[in-house]
Amino acid sequence: QKEVEQDPGPLSVPEGAIVSLNCTYSNSAFQYFMWYRQYSRKGPELLMYTYSSGNKEDGRFTAQVDKSSKYISLFIRDSQPSDSATYLCALGGTSYGKLTFGQGTILTVHP
Amino acid sequence: NAGVTQTPKFRVLKTGQSMTLLCAQDMNHEYMYWYRQDPGMGLRLIHYSVGEGTTAKGEVPDGYNVSRLKKQNFLLGLESAAPSQTSVYFCASANPGTGVNEQFFGPGTRLTVL
Repeated sequence: QKEVEQDPGPLSVPEGAIVSLNCTYSNSAFQYFMWYRQYSRKGPELLMYTYSSGNKEDGRFTAQVDKSSKYISLFIRDSQPSDSATYLCALGGTSYGKLTFGQGTILTVHP
Repeated sequence: NAGVTQTPKFRVLKTGQSMTLLCAQDMNHEYMYWYRQDPGMGLRLIHYSVGEGTTAKGEVPDGYNVSRLKKQNFLLGLESAAPSQTSVYFCASANPGTGVNEQFFGPGTRLTVL
């Protein structure tokens, strides 16, 4: 079993929809939880991060962590075509800044 | 600042050939990482370095070697390329700290091994 499992998708939604992206993990040692966004043929870029259980908002994006269930989510409100990308969850805090990534979910938002 | 750069952007190799991928960062970061990205597999850590002159194995190190002779550069070598090494390779860098260690990624190198 992988340490981090991510719903593979792909997801295709209409513009304006609410998108939910999810990951589960098995290692309780992870201390922080990140979401990276990767546009086609580009490197990943950090979108959001959080340390603790609960919600963190940044504009149209909300990151949610439930440490008791080992479950993390990213919600995108009012999705836009410019949100079309691969979203990767990444968990860290074990050692030397190493991150463990989920498989990535390809999201397409169509006009 | 250029951030993290990777050379080359694309490469096609024949089985058994060797090559070196170069990663350079201008952010004075201590930590550097090499990943490979395959469809449905996410990013998998090949090797990493926590400072000049140090290297360590990641999740999938077999068939690769690395060197960090200068703080700003991290080289990934394939001594005898195999078709299973066809992938997109990403380099990343980060600084140690008490909080979140954000990794900054390069644009990637697309490698095909025939």
